[in-house]
Amino acid sequence: KQEVTQIPAALSVPEGENLVLNCSFTDSAIYNLQWFRQDPGKGLTSLLLIQSSQREQTSGRLNASLDKSSGRSTLYIAASQPGDSATYLCAGGTGGGNKLTFGTGTQLKVEL
Amino acid sequence: NAGVMQNPRHLVRRRGQEARLRCSPMKGHSHVYWYRQLPEEGLKFMVYLQKENIIDESGMPKERFSAEFPKEGPSILRIQQVVRGDSAAYFCASSPSSGGTEAFFGQGTRLTVV
Repeated sequence: KQEVTQIPAALSVPEGENLVLNCSFTDSAIYNLQWFRQDPGKGLTSLLLIQSSQREQTSGRLNASLDKSSGRSTLYIAASQPGDSATYLCAGGTGGGNKLTFGTGTQLKVEL
Repeated sequence: NAGVMQNPRHLVRRRGQEARLRCSPMKGHSHVYWYRQLPEEGLKFMVYLQKENIIDESGMPKERFSAEFPKEGPSILRIQQVVRGDSAAYFCASSPSSGGTEAFFGQGTRLTVV
């Protein structure tokens, strides 16, 4: 059974700082690893999708890496902004499709 | 191309009533997934459907919950005889195929049982 853990649970940083969010999973037989952001009371916005055959994906100030052998993924956010404040969720895709197992998230606050 | 549409956004039901949650996937997507987010908990997989078929319902409670994705129309998550513990945010996601393609989520339906 896949279990996904995210550390830290909450993070507060000053604007402009580079930061790393961590995600670990127990079952290395994942199809993909997807990072989302969730704003309070809102839905999920997909940020990056890394297929199992890939090592990393980049989109703007975001970079996500995947190491299946160690069961870890990281989301790197460069030059953080107050608008980045949200809960960040990672999810491992298993079951031959997009059955996602979610971590409990990292609540990020970027302060002016 | 509209995103995944869920309605209603907010739903209030009294204990014992039925709740029907609707999800229209993105255009061209034939795979639908339902997830539940209980207060102070993470999102949990409930069910995976393809047109007219339930592929994986391993996360569905055994009683009172059912889901369908008919040939025409939206996917429906139905909760019969709701209880207070059913209060949660229910999210729908869709993808164009299986095998690890990107999943896109709707805004969710927030169900409150009073």
